[in-house]
Amino acid sequence: GAVVSQHPSWVICKSGTSVKIECRSLDFQATTMFWYRQFPKQSLMLMATSNEGSKATYEQGVEKDKFLINHASLTLSTLTVTSAHPEDSSFYICSAKGAGETQYFGPGTRLLVL
Amino acid sequence: KQEVTQIPAALSVPEGENLVLNCSFTDSAIYNLQWFRQDPGKGLTSLLLIQSSQREQTSGRLNASLDKSSGRSTLYIAASQPGDSATYLCAVRGNTPLVFGKGTRLSVIA
Repeated sequence: GAVVSQHPSWVICKSGTSVKIECRSLDFQATTMFWYRQFPKQSLMLMATSNEGSKATYEQGVEKDKFLINHASLTLSTLTVTSAHPEDSSFYICSAKGAGETQYFGPGTRLLVL
Repeated sequence: KQEVTQIPAALSVPEGENLVLNCSFTDSAIYNLQWFRQDPGKGLTSLLLIQSSQREQTSGRLNASLDKSSGRSTLYIAASQPGDSATYLCAVRGNTPLVFGKGTRLSVIA
């Protein structure tokens, strides 16, 4: 089956620093990748959609200059949280879609900003 | 804008009981509906996917139904076990990526 990995699985950083999270599709080509964020006891909220080789489309209320998304290849997308603050602490989950309609999810990255 | 609601928010049952989790969505123009399981601090495990043309899907002790016209889906878990304890998320896909409900936190007590 389709496998999506994320790295790192968890990260702790100081306020003001930038953090990069990688999302990889291991055994299929992901034409579209999605980034979700989940706060404690809340549901997954879509942050942005990215297609390989083009700029990401951000959901309303998500700052594109703060959450930089790069989808440079058909197997890799990165999310960089720039100048992270404690309120950015959350669980970030990526999802990848190939030729079909099914979205395959990564295991998530837990970010804690001190 | 699609909205997904799950009821109840939390549920605690003794081991062996059959139970039903409910999901409703506001826009019936969907391609499919998916049920996921999420363990604490973990990612998502896909349980069942129902295409818009289907009425139900079954996998082991799990059965999911879909009534697209009324915007409802149910997840039926038979003979619940402590290992079923997790949060169950319902998500629908229309012209947008998957839209999730807030989930139902299930505790199965031994």
